[in-house]
Amino acid sequence: GAVVSQHPSRVICKSGTSVKIECRSLDFQATTMFWYRQFPKKSLMLMATSNEGSKATYEQGVEKDKFLINHASLTLSTLTVTSAHPEDSSFYICSARDRVGGYTFGSGTRLTVV
Amino acid sequence: GQSLEQPSEVTAVEGAIVQINCTYQTSGFYGLSWYQQHDGGAPTFLSYNALDGLEETGRFSSFLSRSDSYGYLLLQELQMKDSASYFCAVREGGTGRRALTFGSGTRLQVQP
Repeated sequence: GAVVSQHPSRVICKSGTSVKIECRSLDFQATTMFWYRQFPKKSLMLMATSNEGSKATYEQGVEKDKFLINHASLTLSTLTVTSAHPEDSSFYICSARDRVGGYTFGSGTRLTVV
Repeated sequence: GQSLEQPSEVTAVEGAIVQINCTYQTSGFYGLSWYQQHDGGAPTFLSYNALDGLEETGRFSSFLSRSDSYGYLLLQELQMKDSASYFCAVREGGTGRRALTFGSGTRLQVQP
C-alpha cells in the first residue's frame, strides 16, 4: 500500500533553533500534503496544506513565518519550525491522499524544545 | 466549518462489545471515517461510511445515519491491544485537495 515516510521520529532542540521535518511519499505522487499537530491526549489539528509548486495554505491562527512549509517535488514536503520555543513541543504528523483516495499518514515526529 | 463530538473516555473488559458515538456538523459531507491511534503512533484507518447503514470489517463495524448527522464505531470481542484512542473524521467538501477534520477522540481502555 501507499507509504509516507516521515523523519525524524523524535527530535530534541534548544529554544531559538530551527527544526526541519520531512515527509516523503514512497510509492505515489503526493501533489498535496497535510500537516497536523497533536498535543498530548488531544485531537489532530490541521496546521497547513502544502501544494507542490505553490504556496502552502495555513489554517487560522497558524503563523506562516514560524512554520515554514516547502513542497518542492511531487514526493517531498517539509515543515520547518523556526525559532522554536517550548510551547512548540508537540507531535507533528503529515498526511497525503494516495492513488485510491485514502489518507496515508506519516509515522509522526515528536518535537521537544528545551 | 466542521465539528465532531465524541465521548472522551470509554472503559470495557476483554471480550466485551463497545460502541463509540460521533455526532458531526459539517458544511459539506463526504463520508465519515474512523481511525485508531496508539500512544506515540500515527492514526491508522479502520472504516469508512459514505452511505447510511452498517459497514463490517472483522471485529470492527461502523454505522452512519446522515439524516441524524451521527455515526458510531462498534468494537466486538475486545482485546487488550484495542486500548487506544479512536477518532471519527470527515473530509471537507470540494476538490480532492481537502484535509480530514478529526473529532475530539475517545480514549478506550480495555481491562482484563
